[in-house]
Amino acid sequence: DQQVKQNSPSLSVQEGRISILNCDYTNSMFDYFLWYKKYPAEGPTFLISISSIKDKNEDGRFTVFLNKSAKHLSLHIVPSQPGDSAVYFCAARGSGSGNTGKLIFGQGTTLQVKP
Amino acid sequence: NAGVTQTPKFQVLKTGQSMTLQCAQDMNHNSMYWYRQDPGMGLRLIYYSASEGTTDKGEVPNGYNVSRLNKREFSLRLESAAPSQTSVYFCASKRDRDGNTIYFGEGSWLTVV
Repeated sequence: DQQVKQNSPSLSVQEGRISILNCDYTNSMFDYFLWYKKYPAEGPTFLISISSIKDKNEDGRFTVFLNKSAKHLSLHIVPSQPGDSAVYFCAARGSGSGNTGKLIFGQGTTLQVKP
Repeated sequence: NAGVTQTPKFQVLKTGQSMTLQCAQDMNHNSMYWYRQDPGMGLRLIYYSASEGTTDKGEVPNGYNVSRLNKREFSLRLESAAPSQTSVYFCASKRDRDGNTIYFGEGSWLTVV
């Protein structure tokens, strides 16, 4: 039972264009969402996050949008650069009693930005 | 600035052998985690430790044991390795249970033949 889903295994975008990575979740108790970026042979690194009380968070070229009613979030990268080519993981944190702050990850989307 | 350090980086085991993956963090974090990454499955939590002296099961704990040796170190043990445990293993840490961002090590590539 996958609580966090990234339904697109891969995405290819031309340099300079917008990249949009999508993520869906099923648990309405999630209160915080994060995006991680992973290069081959390296560990994932934190990219950007958003609290469930917000619907948008922006950091430079990266913007995360949250639609709570649809249980959907997306990561926009504008403009895309070849160095953005990596695997992107969406993650969610549960809230409520008994929560230990652990994150649940999606399957990942491989982004390729072509020069 | 080491962050989260894992050893070994690569290991090949025969079915039935045992081994321990070591992890240490120098950020004075309370919470530590072990994840595995498999194609099409993303990152799945094996075990975690919310604080020194405590450990709890994650999504896929079967076949693994852990030890939170002290605040810095969190080891993952495979008592009798199986081919299904071929994976990339990531250790991670987080400041406290209310912190939002976890920091990952570089990964340990394990192959069980």
